[in-house]
Amino acid sequence: GAVVSQHPSRVICKSGTSVKIECRSLDFQATTMFWYRQFPKQSLMLMATSNEGSKATYEQGVEKDKFLINHASLTLSTLTVTSAHPEDSSFYICSARDSYQETQYFGPGTRLLVL
Amino acid sequence: AQSVTQLGSHVSVSEGALVLLRCNYSSSVPPYLFWYVQYPNQGLQLLLKYTSAATLVKGINGFEAEFKKSETSFHLTKPSAHMSDAAEYFCAVSPYSSASKIIFGSGTRLSIRP
Repeated sequence: GAVVSQHPSRVICKSGTSVKIECRSLDFQATTMFWYRQFPKQSLMLMATSNEGSKATYEQGVEKDKFLINHASLTLSTLTVTSAHPEDSSFYICSARDSYQETQYFGPGTRLLVL
Repeated sequence: AQSVTQLGSHVSVSEGALVLLRCNYSSSVPPYLFWYVQYPNQGLQLLLKYTSAATLVKGINGFEAEFKKSETSFHLTKPSAHMSDAAEYFCAVSPYSSASKIIFGSGTRLSIRP
């Protein structure tokens, strides 16, 4: 089946630094990718929808200047958490839409810990 | 607007017993409905999805779910629980297609007693 990878799987950083998370569709082209955030013992909350070659659409309450999303190719979307703070510590999960199969595939997630 | 409500944040059953995880949805259009499973520190795996074909949907690992429009429900069942079924289960809805943005329920943690 289709595979979506995320890198890194785990990252620890100091407060005030920026962290980039990559989401790749390995064997299909994804015109649309989604970024979710999951706090411990909670559900996934959609942060933004990323379309290849255009600006991302952010959900209400998500700071677009803090969570920068770039989707420059059909197989790669990146989420950059700028000036990270401890409250940004979370599990970030991406998903990629396979347009031909009309199916969405999820990545394994990236755990971010900001000290 | 679309939403899902999962009844029971934690369900515990004995190994070999019936598993029933409840999900009710709200949607202004015919919905696409999903059940996902998440093992600790891992991403999501699709168990099954309803896309307006058959109302009884069979998924992986012996799970199935029945779409009941009159009850706005999409409960997940498995006849006989295995220890390996212990995980977090999420019901989800998408208003447009199985490839558009997905709205998740709050999740139900399934524990299996030996």
